[in-house]
Amino acid sequence: DTEVTQTPKHLVMGMTNKKSLKCEQHMGHRAMYWYKQKAKKPPELMFVYSYEKLSINESVPSRFSPECPNSSLLNLHLHALQPEDSALYLCASSQLQGYEQYFGPGTRLTVT
Amino acid sequence: ILNVEQSPQSLHVQEGDSTNFTCSFPSSNFYALHWYRWETAKSPEALFVMTLNGDEKKKGRISATLNTKEGYSYLYIKGSQPEDSATYLCALTMDSNYQLIWGAGTKLIIKP
Repeated sequence: DTEVTQTPKHLVMGMTNKKSLKCEQHMGHRAMYWYKQKAKKPPELMFVYSYEKLSINESVPSRFSPECPNSSLLNLHLHALQPEDSALYLCASSQLQGYEQYFGPGTRLTVT
Repeated sequence: ILNVEQSPQSLHVQEGDSTNFTCSFPSSNFYALHWYRWETAKSPEALFVMTLNGDEKKKGRISATLNTKEGYSYLYIKGSQPEDSATYLCALTMDSNYQLIWGAGTKLIIKP
């Protein structure tokens, strides 16, 4: 299995909702990443987990809360988002932090 | 602020012609240089990761070179085909924290 899967593909949520994005990989990779991507721009790094521990938090607002329950799974919990948080959220994994990254297809999030 | 710069921003190339573009980066604390291919509405796809000065990598008609002393990498495409149309992103990993610092990309359009 050489892919990174993300669910859901699309998500529409109100500003008071709580939702979660899920990312999974079974390549034995020990680093996992969350990125936010706005239209026509490169991905912006949000969080990096290395060996299931949070390694990098790029000053992301606390309304985004990452979780890495095990080495294959990465979640992003969303609460009280703003319309400007609408974007494509990409998950990626790599063998180790800093190695070549494999991206999932993304979750298209719309905050209303 | 660390900058990874790519030039040109966009490029129109006739089908069958060869082309190349540049990624420039600060050479201090270098760890690795990544090239990704990104088609709109898809996730970035890893092409190469290079770590050593003088590295050359090749995948089919696409190749890349690396000069860590002067801080640049070239991506070459030989005999361009319409399916090569995409944005080519380079990203730098530094040895301080191993996160990727992305360039803004070179958008390549192949004209039939």
